[in-house]
Amino acid sequence: DVVMTQTPVSLSVSLGGQVSISCRSSQSLVHNNGNTYLSWYLQKPGQSPQLLIYKVSNRFSGISDRFSGSGSGTDFTLKISRVEPDDLGVYYCGQGTQYPPTFGSGTKLEIK
Amino acid sequence: EVQLVESGGGLVQPGRSLKLSCAASGFTFSNYYMAWVRQAPKKGLEWVATISTSGSRTYYPDSVKGRFTISRDNAKSSLYLQMNSLKSEDTATYYCARHRATVATFDYWGQGVMVTVSS
Repeated sequence: DVVMTQTPVSLSVSLGGQVSISCRSSQSLVHNNGNTYLSWYLQKPGQSPQLLIYKVSNRFSGISDRFSGSGSGTDFTLKISRVEPDDLGVYYCGQGTQYPPTFGSGTKLEIK
Repeated sequence: EVQLVESGGGLVQPGRSLKLSCAASGFTFSNYYMAWVRQAPKKGLEWVATISTSGSRTYYPDSVKGRFTISRDNAKSSLYLQMNSLKSEDTATYYCARHRATVATFDYWGQGVMVTVSS
C-alpha cells in the first residue's frame, strides 16, 4: 500500500497569513495514464470531508483561489494564502493512483 | 445539488451484522463509481470499498475483504454496505462518497453514519 506522510501534524496561523502543508508518498503517484491522482481534503469541525484540490493542482468547484496545490512524483504541497476563520479544520492528502486508496494522517490548522 | 444521505448505523455486538444505505440525488447515480470511507473516533480516513457503475466490479482493502460487501441499486439511486462479522475495530463513522470519474478521488461526501461495535 502507498503510505502518505503529512507534515506538520498541526499548525497555527494568524488571520490573513499563509501556510503550507507537505504530503509525501512512499511511491510515485504518477499513474500509467500520465496523470497524478493526489488530492487534498478539508474536514471542518463536526463536518464530513470536502474535496479542495484534485490531480495535484486543480481546484474543485467553488474552492477559493486562496488554495493552491503543487508537486510531483512523491512530494506535494498545499498552500493556503490569506487565511480566513472558515479555513480551520483538518487537512488530508489522499492518493487515488493505486488501490487501495490511502490518506495522510491529517494536519490540524488552528487560527491564532 | 448533489446529496448523499447515509442511514442504518447504530450499536451492534461483535460478530453480528449491519447494513448501511446511502440515498443519492442531484446527479445521474448510474454514471459514477461510488465508495464507502470510514473514520474511527478521533482518527483519520480509511477507504473501505468501491463499486463500479454497473456493480460488476468491487474493491476492498484487506481489513474488510471477505466481511464487507458493497452493492448498489441504480434504479433506486442507492448504495449499500453489508457488514458481517463485525469487530470492535470497525467502530467508526461511515461516509458514502462519490468517485470523480473512475479514479479514487472523492468529490462529494455524505454526512456520515456512526457504527459502534461493542458488547
